[in-house]
Amino acid sequence: SQELEQSPQSLIVQEGKNLTINCTSSKTLYGLYWYKQKYGEGLIFLMMLQKGGEEKSHEKITAKLDEKKQQSSLHITASQPSHAGIYLCGAANAGGTSYGKLTFGQGTILTVHP
Amino acid sequence: NAGVTQTPKFQVLKTGQSMTLQCAQDMNHNSMYWYRQDPGMGLRLIYYSASEGTTDKGEVPNGYNVSRLNKREFSLRLESAAPSQTSVYFCASSEVSAGGLTPGKETQYFGPGTRLLVL
Repeated sequence: SQELEQSPQSLIVQEGKNLTINCTSSKTLYGLYWYKQKYGEGLIFLMMLQKGGEEKSHEKITAKLDEKKQQSSLHITASQPSHAGIYLCGAANAGGTSYGKLTFGQGTILTVHP
Repeated sequence: NAGVTQTPKFQVLKTGQSMTLQCAQDMNHNSMYWYRQDPGMGLRLIYYSASEGTTDKGEVPNGYNVSRLNKREFSLRLESAAPSQTSVYFCASSEVSAGGLTPGKETQYFGPGTRLLVL
């Protein structure tokens, strides 16, 4: 089965600093999804990457998928307290019976100090 | 649109009690999922349903049952709750109806979660 490893597990930064969260897969990624979760709330979809070398941005968050499609990174520029939360990556399960199932990493807890 | 809704938001049970977690979506999605989230474990799939009337086991199905009542609703039942089932439960839905990869349609939309404590 596919496994996703996120690093770091937690991150504390000062407001205004840039940061990067990584998601590494044990198998080729056919679809990589990034979500954000605020404490006590559900997951909010951020971006989906599919093609090797693909890069997408939303406001100050940029996600990239490497050429080999085994690693993705999430980069936040000029972090703000509103960026704080748990970031999770999820990968589509390849195979004939996938039915949209996603495997998730364990999450990265981001704290942004004002 | 409300998206994905879940009830209740919080619940405390005693060991051995039963309860049903309710989930509904108004996006006309075909597939629905139940996850549990535990510290350090990420999200683990309990059960999923690819269409009305069909359900299948995920990674951690033991101790749970599900019902896909109609296209909108997917419930999760704990017949005899155990302390190990203390967790946060999330319901999600997606457009996917096919078995193979359908990039883009696999985006899952999540409900706000149910916090369950089993004493």
